Order: sequence, then structure tokens, then C-alpha cells
Amino acid sequence: NAGVTQTPKFQVLKTGQSMTLQCAQDMNHEYMSWYRQDPGMGLRLIHYSVGAGITDQGEVPNGYNVSRSTTEDFPLRLLSAAPSQTSVYFCASSYSDGSYEQYFGPGTRLTVT
Amino acid sequence: SQQGEEDPQALSIQEGENATMNCSYKTSINNLQWYRQNSGRGLVHLILIRSNEREKHSGRLRVTLDTSKKSSSLLITASRAADTASYFCATDAVDTGNQFYFGTGTSLTVIP
Repeated sequence: NAGVTQTPKFQVLKTGQSMTLQCAQDMNHEYMSWYRQDPGMGLRLIHYSVGAGITDQGEVPNGYNVSRSTTEDFPLRLLSAAPSQTSVYFCASSYSDGSYEQYFGPGTRLTVT
Repeated sequence: SQQGEEDPQALSIQEGENATMNCSYKTSINNLQWYRQNSGRGLVHLILIRSNEREKHSGRLRVTLDTSKKSSSLLITASRAADTASYFCATDAVDTGNQFYFGTGTSLTVIP
């Protein structure tokens, strides 16, 4: 049982480039989410999904796209990277709603120059 | 804006002492959870308390919830050096359901 996996661990992008951060879970969790963590800001929700084919925006969705074609995978796409998107990105999953603990991946450290 | 804020921002104690950190939030919630994050790692769930509960225990952890004051506290008893980490509260608000809001965290250092 691998839990929540994220790739890559580190990434450096130039301004304007696009890329996809990968997230996968093998616990058959319905709920998956993406957060960014900036110094002194805690974690902020970017997008979340309550099941395959269903996604919704969180607190800071601008500049990011998501899709959920399978229960296991929830990729996060940066459309045109900006220095303000330099951050650590965490993917998490849980059973259906907030009454369940979230399992977090190890994170992706992204730098945009 | 973020739902939760932890207090203090940083806390340094000797091994064996108790550590208390507080979380305040803004709107009515369904549940409140506490997480730990070791440096450079993902978050790990510690404990969940529901809005109709007032206190919960898990090993050396004690969590209280006061919905009238919109606040929660996490007490770690008999702290160990391995407890050194950042601690975050997370809430799911009644009016935003599936969205989780994390606080800014308390950085705990336990000195051996």
C-alpha cells in the first residue's frame, strides 16, 4: 500500500512554461485535493474532487487546472507558470468528506524563475 | 482568507514538559482536525474532533473544542524530542462543506 504518491519531488520552471504535477492514491479514496504551502501562510486549498469526473475550486484556484478521470489519479496542471507559483505543493486524499482524516503525499517543491 | 490561526507561532520547551497550542477559526464547522508536519515532509493526521464533542484524547494528546468561542487547543503531555514539528489545525466549515482550511501552524521545538 503506497498511500499517496507525488511526482516529481523537485521541479524548476521558467516563467511561462507549463507542467503537470502528478498525484496518485491506492486507498480507493473518493476525496482528493491539492494544496500549496508558502512560508507563514499554512496550507491553502487549490482544487479538490469528491469523485471521478467531479472537481471544484478551492481558495486559490487561479493559474491551475485539474481533472479526475479515475478514482486513483488527480493531476494538477500549471498553465503558464509565474514566480508567484513558487511553492511546495501537497496532494491529499480521504474518504468522502471532512469527517475523515486526510492522507498527504510527500510534496513537490516547485521553483519558477 | 484562511479559516484558522494557531497561537503561538513558535514554542520551545524542555523534554518532559507539556506543550499547549491553540487554534481559532472564523465560521461554524463540522469537524476540526489536528495535523503534524515534520520538516520537509507531508502532514500526518493526529486527531479529529467533531463539532458536538468538547474533548478528545489519543495517547499523549488531548484536544478540546469550544464552538462558542470558535477555538480549539491541542495539549501534548510529557513531550519528547521526537515531537519537534509544526502543528496545524484544519476545519471544514458548515457552509463550504468539502473545503478544508488550515491554520498558519505552530512550530514546536522540544529540547532534549
